[in-house]
Amino acid sequence: GQSLEQPSEVTAVEGAIVQINCTYQTSGFYGLSWYQQHDGGAPTFLSYNALDGLEETGRFSSFLSRSDSYGYLLLQELQMKDSASYFCAVSPRDDKIIFGKGTRLHILP
Amino acid sequence: NAGVMQNPRHLVRRRGQEARLRCSPMKGHSHVYWYRQLPEEGLKFMVYLQKENIIDESGMPKERFSAEFPKEGPSILRIQQVVRGDSAAYFCASSRQTSGYNEQFFGPGTRLTVL
Repeated sequence: GQSLEQPSEVTAVEGAIVQINCTYQTSGFYGLSWYQQHDGGAPTFLSYNALDGLEETGRFSSFLSRSDSYGYLLLQELQMKDSASYFCAVSPRDDKIIFGKGTRLHILP
Repeated sequence: NAGVMQNPRHLVRRRGQEARLRCSPMKGHSHVYWYRQLPEEGLKFMVYLQKENIIDESGMPKERFSAEFPKEGPSILRIQQVVRGDSAAYFCASSRQTSGYNEQFFGPGTRLTVL
């Protein structure tokens, strides 16, 4: 089976940097992805890591260490609009995604 | 290019009634996924379908729930004899059929309330 662990809530200040960690256990592994969901909205794709290392997309970066079954999402220059839930998700095969329970990010002005 | 469409956006049913949720994938997408999300919870995988085929239904409750993706028309998630515990947001996602990782694009969801 699969399981993912991520903090339930994180609080940060506008303009700061925040890191959301994710550890996983899975019987098969193709990659780790991150999705953002605003209250009442649909999840939207942020990033995907299949190989070890850091992937950067604008203010957001995602990191993966397959040997540690660990990844994180890094958000820089936080803006109030970044207040949302962030889900890490593992792909046990290339056509399936299993989501974690999500981390609710609160941003203080 | 329209995104994933779901309807209705909100659905209210009384216990014992049937709920039908519809999902039209993005143009060019042949894979459809259904997820259930309870308040303050993550997305729980229910079922994965391709046209006329159920590929993986390991997350579907064994009773009262069924899904289809016919050759023509939207994918349907059907819940028979609904109970209060079925109240949740149901999201549909679609993706392309290519090798490697395929980003899933989500619809706006159907919020089901069972009275």
